[in-house]
Parts: sequence; structure tokens; C-alpha cells
Amino acid sequence: EAGVTQSPTHLIKTRGQQATLRCSPISGHTSVYWYQQALGLGLQFLLWYDEGEERNRGNFPPRFSGRQFPNYSSELNVNALELEDSALYLCASSPPGVLAQHFGDGTRLSIL
Amino acid sequence: KQEVTQIPAALSVPEGENLVLNCSFTDSAIYNLQWFRQDPGKGLTSLLLIQSSQREQTSGRLNASLDKSSGRSTLYIAASQPGDSATYLCAVGGYGGSQGNLIFGKGTKLSVKP
Repeated sequence: EAGVTQSPTHLIKTRGQQATLRCSPISGHTSVYWYQQALGLGLQFLLWYDEGEERNRGNFPPRFSGRQFPNYSSELNVNALELEDSALYLCASSPPGVLAQHFGDGTRLSIL
Repeated sequence: KQEVTQIPAALSVPEGENLVLNCSFTDSAIYNLQWFRQDPGKGLTSLLLIQSSQREQTSGRLNASLDKSSGRSTLYIAASQPGDSATYLCAVGGYGGSQGNLIFGKGTKLSVKP
């Protein structure tokens, strides 16, 4: 069974640009979660999508947004990139019922 | 506001030793608690999930316990091996508006010496 897959592995952008990160959940999982892991700050919750709807949002500005597609895959969009957005962005998925979250290997976003 | 603390921040042990990693949380109204390991530059690997109604879970050499009333969980690793070297993260999930939002500790970095 394929795990959670994220693309791209690495992404290099400059300040002010926009970044799109993609996530494919484990087959049968309907929920997708996004987390940011910045150096020294630990893992912080960004967004939760379930059945195509945004269910919960962390304490991040509106320039962090996303969506979930009918096949349950998801995109995270970050607009007007700032230097402090440099981080590892992790996607997780879980089956219906808010059970264990399973993580992908992440997208490393570097802002120059 | 839920806060999760993991002590110690780093731990170095010789191979074969049994060890305990600690996790504490400030709000006992949790939905579940999950233990993960993270290898350098990688994502998280789920180790054990404990639902709020459970007291412990076991998988191989790993045993996790949960005491909601005292706001504590422990991860016990038996007969440690160099391959166990990683950062271990504890995360709690809440109810209602906090559902889906795992609150993570900063982790314990474990080094097992051959």
C-alpha cells in the first residue's frame, strides 16, 4: 500500500512569489492535514480538509490556503512568500473518524 | 490552550538498554495521543495511537501508556538498538473545534550507541 506522497521534494522560491505544494493521501483516507515544521519552532498545524471541505485552520495568515480535490488529494498554496516561510511542510492523511494520522516525507520550501 | 512538553530533549544510551521517554500535556480533555519517530530530514512515522479511553498500546518493543488525569504519557522502548536513533515526537488531538489539529511536543532526540 502506497503511503502519503508529497511533491515536489524541494522547492526554491524568492520573496513575494507563490508556492504550490501537493499531497496524495493513502488510498481510502478522506482527511488531509497540513503542518509546518520550521527550524526551532516545532510542528505547527496549518489546515485540515475532510471530504473536500476545510474543517479547521491553525494560526496562520490568509496567504496560506489550500483545497482538497474529489479524489481526496490536496494542494497547499502560499502566496506572497516571506523568508520565514522557509520550512518543511508535512502532509498527513487519516481514514474517516479522525483516527491516526500518517505522514508523508514533506516538501522542503526554501525562500531566498 | 493545550501545551505538550517532552523531557528530556536529548538522550544518549548504550545499545541494549531499556528506556522511557516522557510526554506531558496541560489539558486532559484529549481525543487521542500519538507517538511518532522522525529521522533527520524525513517525515514522521506513526508508532502508536492511544485513544482517550485506553490506558496503553503495544507494538513490538514499544509500549505507550496514557494517564489522562495526570496529563502524562510514556513511551517505553525495550532492548534499544542503534536503528532506534531518531527524534521521538508526542502529539495530542483534541475534541470539537480542535479535532484534526495535533499539538506536538518538541521531541526527544534519542541516540543509541553500539
